[in-house]
Amino acid sequence: ETGVTQTPRHLVMGMTNKKSLKCEQHLGHNAMYWYKQSAKKPLELMFVYNFKEQTENNSVPSRFSPECPNSSHLFLHLHTLQPEDSALYLCASSQDFGTGDGYTFGSGTRLTVV
Amino acid sequence: AQSVSQHNHHVILSEAASLELGCNYSYGGTVNLFWYVQYPGQHLQLLLKYFSGDPLVKGIKGFEAEFIKSKFSFNLRKPSVQWSDTAEYFCAVNRPGGYQKVTFGTGTKLQVIP
Repeated sequence: ETGVTQTPRHLVMGMTNKKSLKCEQHLGHNAMYWYKQSAKKPLELMFVYNFKEQTENNSVPSRFSPECPNSSHLFLHLHTLQPEDSALYLCASSQDFGTGDGYTFGSGTRLTVV
Repeated sequence: AQSVSQHNHHVILSEAASLELGCNYSYGGTVNLFWYVQYPGQHLQLLLKYFSGDPLVKGIKGFEAEFIKSKFSFNLRKPSVQWSDTAEYFCAVNRPGGYQKVTFGTGTKLQVIP
């Protein structure tokens, strides 16, 4: 375990479903991130939360909705997704945003949209 | 905006061969540089990082990387690879100071043949 836990590990959902991805860290980090990892593409930063406040939304479609109730938990709510949204969704945390320190990543949620 | 290029998408080596994976970034100012590794079925983890000082950085498991500012490069090297080094390797960059997000490359898949 890395200290960043993501659940579920795998998720298959229909285009009309609503589901949520969960990320939890107990490293005392202040910044948390959602990344999308697709084959042959760079990791795409989706959202950044610093001290529970959203500091970045990288033009992500509204069918993805993040939530950060506290500095240890981060959610990604999904609804009416498209097949092209199938990917590995990674959560990461760092001590602070933008200090250049390394990220700690979770193992990811493999999402398949059917 | 900064970007990262990893020109080798898939590298196949025999055990004991030497490894060099290329990484070039586009930003002309001061940068922090990272290499991350993702072993099959596992999470992304930090291999090594460069902030300042000695441009030759040593990381875990015998890996090292050299920052060459004039070439905007941060190539990853290992003198003798092992089968257990089979993984995907990601180069990343960010600018120090303030809210500066980390930009990742597309990754290089390394396959080491016993």
